[in-house]
Amino acid sequence: DTAVSQTPKYLVTQMGNDKSIKCEQNLGHDTMYWYKQDSKKFLKIMFSYNNKELIINETVPNRFSPKSPDKAHLNLHINSLELGDSAVYFCASSPPGSFSGNTIYFGEGSWLTVV
Amino acid sequence: KQEVTQIPAALSVPEGENLVLNCSFTDSAIYNLQWFRQDPGKGLTSLLLIQSSQREQTSGRLNASLDKSSGRSTLYIAASQPGDSATYLCGLSGGSYIPTFGRGTSLIVHP
Repeated sequence: DTAVSQTPKYLVTQMGNDKSIKCEQNLGHDTMYWYKQDSKKFLKIMFSYNNKELIINETVPNRFSPKSPDKAHLNLHINSLELGDSAVYFCASSPPGSFSGNTIYFGEGSWLTVV
Repeated sequence: KQEVTQIPAALSVPEGENLVLNCSFTDSAIYNLQWFRQDPGKGLTSLLLIQSSQREQTSGRLNASLDKSSGRSTLYIAASQPGDSATYLCGLSGGSYIPTFGRGTSLIVHP
């Protein structure tokens, strides 16, 4: 069983469209994250969601919004897509007490290309 | 704000060499440090996790060390193989921090 799964794996879409990337974890973790990895491999945190507390990286445009229907899911919705949004988006999760030092688990990534 | 730096950015070595990858961080108030491997077109795979109270962890040919006082960690790869070719990322988490990552070291081991 995949611990952290993301769909779709590949997404090609036109500028101006709205799209969502789904993430599910079956590990019972309390905290989930969305990261963006640019062409230079830099992993930048976008959101952290822990027990209904959302921590937003202030540099993330408000066109990006996380949606968590329950503890096992954290979806990423993107409005009015721009060329610069092209990147790999990674979902991740970590267990309770993550701040006391537990490992973080990543999904396989979603490759978004905006044309 | 935690900042993580990885040196070198890229490394190309012949098979069989022993390697050291470096990770430095600006704030020593961490709870753990984790080394990941990323293959092209793939996600991140956790290699080793060092809790803040630990000094090192070993798994097979890999050994990771942590020195919080100097803000450094190293990943030692013994007897490198072509299959070790990948990007290696260092990530830190804990406290009020969101897990923060370096830009990685891209490793090529040629036969």
